[in-house]
Amino acid sequence: GENVEQHPSTLSVQEGDSAVIKCTYSDSASNYFPWYKQELGKRPQLIIDIRSNVGEKKDQRIAVTLNKTAKHFSLHITETQPEDSAVYFCAASINDMRFGAGTRLTVKP
Amino acid sequence: GAVVSQHPSRVICKSGTSVKIECRSLDFQATTMFWYRQFPKQSLMLMATSNEGSKATYEQGVEKDKFLINHASLTLSTLTVTSAHPEDSSFYICSATSPGLAGGPADTQYFGPGTRLTVL
Repeated sequence: GENVEQHPSTLSVQEGDSAVIKCTYSDSASNYFPWYKQELGKRPQLIIDIRSNVGEKKDQRIAVTLNKTAKHFSLHITETQPEDSAVYFCAASINDMRFGAGTRLTVKP
Repeated sequence: GAVVSQHPSRVICKSGTSVKIECRSLDFQATTMFWYRQFPKQSLMLMATSNEGSKATYEQGVEKDKFLINHASLTLSTLTVTSAHPEDSSFYICSATSPGLAGGPADTQYFGPGTRLTVL
């Protein structure tokens, strides 16, 4: 079955810096890769996703890149703000979703 | 540590029957469990949030009488799909969280492996 690994488990950056979270997956058939953000006490929210026919997708300060050959994808957040502090989950999916373990991002003012 | 199991992993049933899915935290006490539903090639949709000993909070558009959730103990939550129909066929996944679990962040969710339901 699919196995998704996510790194780092925690990440601390200064406000305005960039943050990068990386995930690898094992099943080359996976074709959908969403990223979720979860703030404390709130439900996970889908923030961006990418499908296997696309190499990069950007939405304002958030971008995701996908390397199908290497089977890894990354989340990039630029110009980080304190409100970006949360836990971020990556996931890989064919029909069923497999999630990474999560990354706690802290943005220091 | 922080292992969440789901049972069954796959189930096939006839239209009109009810199906129960169990979500268990194996090595920790889960104060909150979440139930998600995923349609093919789409992201997961949160169905409800379940806190031990209290009624589940359902997301808008999710029928609480259709999807019965019980969180009777700190290690077990169940989702019962009542009078299942083919449109209920989906992948159901739970997750669990507990403050300060294993020294990690209080809001980290640990996901179960999911249950694929097929209604004929």
